[in-house]
Amino acid sequence: AQTVTQSQPEMSVQEAETVTLSCTYDTSESDYYLFWYKQPPSRQMILVIRQEAYKQQNATENRFSVNFQKAAKSFSLKISDSQLGDAAMYFCAYRSSGANSKLTFGKGITLSVRP
Amino acid sequence: DAGITQSPRHKVTETGTPVTLRCHQTENHRYMYWYRQDPGHGLRLIHYSYGVKDTDKGEVSDGYSVSRSKTEDFLLTLESATSSQTSVYFCAISESGSRSGNTIYFGEGSWLTVV
Repeated sequence: AQTVTQSQPEMSVQEAETVTLSCTYDTSESDYYLFWYKQPPSRQMILVIRQEAYKQQNATENRFSVNFQKAAKSFSLKISDSQLGDAAMYFCAYRSSGANSKLTFGKGITLSVRP
Repeated sequence: DAGITQSPRHKVTETGTPVTLRCHQTENHRYMYWYRQDPGHGLRLIHYSYGVKDTDKGEVSDGYSVSRSKTEDFLLTLESATSSQTSVYFCAISESGSRSGNTIYFGEGSWLTVV
């Protein structure tokens, strides 16, 4: 079974600075998808970014980018120019590419942004 | 935003009573999921569906049942609610398990308190 590990329960960053959130996963599959979701206090789950394992290029969405290291099974999220609205819980998630595949989440990390 | 509606959004019920949560989608997506979120556990899969009348168990399915009689609705039932089922429940949908539609979108959550 796949597992997703987020070892840092909390992190803090100064506004306008850069922060990196770590995630590792364990799988025996070669084709899969990885995601970062943001959950603000409203509890809405918001997709931040996704990465296809077959793509070598790291995904980027505006201020958000990932460092995908397939051999190391690592998938970190970098937030540049941090804003107060980035404060939230962030979840890393894994999904295999097969039919009937499920999304497996890490336990999440709480990010606070200092003004 | 994905067209996902959960109802009720908030409910307080007594131990031993049956409870049904409804997830309704307007996207005609094939896959639907029920997750629960608890502190320190991230989101954990309860049940999922990969088509009408096709369902399967997730990692925390004990005490829960589901039904999907039509594409747009996925019902989660607690036959006899217990205090351990106090949680936030999220419905999610996904177009397919193929490369073209692997992103999973979430509803706004249903807060259930069992007293």
